[in-house]
Amino acid sequence: NAGVTQTPKFQVLKTGQSMTLQCAQDMNHEYMSWYRQDPGMGLRLIHYSVGAGITDQGEVPNGYNVSRSTTEDFPLRLLSAAPSQTSVYFCASSYSRHPLRNEQFFGPGTRLTVL
Amino acid sequence: AQRVTQPEKLLSVFKGAPVELKCNYSYSGSPELFWYVQYSRQRLQLLLRHISRESIKGFTADLNKGETSFHLKKPFAQEEDSAMYYCALSPNTGRRALTFGSGTRLQVQP
Repeated sequence: NAGVTQTPKFQVLKTGQSMTLQCAQDMNHEYMSWYRQDPGMGLRLIHYSVGAGITDQGEVPNGYNVSRSTTEDFPLRLLSAAPSQTSVYFCASSYSRHPLRNEQFFGPGTRLTVL
Repeated sequence: AQRVTQPEKLLSVFKGAPVELKCNYSYSGSPELFWYVQYSRQRLQLLLRHISRESIKGFTADLNKGETSFHLKKPFAQEEDSAMYYCALSPNTGRRALTFGSGTRLQVQP
């Protein structure tokens, strides 16, 4: 199993550009989520999905869109990048949301810089 | 809304010394608490969770509902324990999304 994969590893964008961060998992996990990690602020939840076709907003959803057309993939879209979106982005998945099945497995992260 | 506080950004100890990483939370119900760890050049991974009541790599954490704390402890630190540690909370109802603390970097010196 590859686990949770993310592409790209690094990306530099100009303000106003759009891009998609890719996330895939091969563990047949029901639950997937996107976090951003900023210095001194830990990980903050952007969006999450409890299954194919179902997504919901997290703590900091503004400026980001997601979709979940398959169980495996959960891309994160930045429609018009802003410098405030400079961060490290982590994708995570878990078998379920419920206790003892909700260990989150993390991807390696994508470091995004918006100029 | 739930909140997780890790008051120390950096904790530096010598090898063999006891370690306590502090975590306090605020939540009106009964949460599920976790410790996640990120070693250098590795992915963030689960260290332990309170409902399992287990000891992993010599670390333990006890949920104190009265003090709303979930401190991580190890009696004798090892150099390989050096890492970034995150405390996290999941509500037991609703969306059950994880809320993370800001993290504590543990440095174990030889």
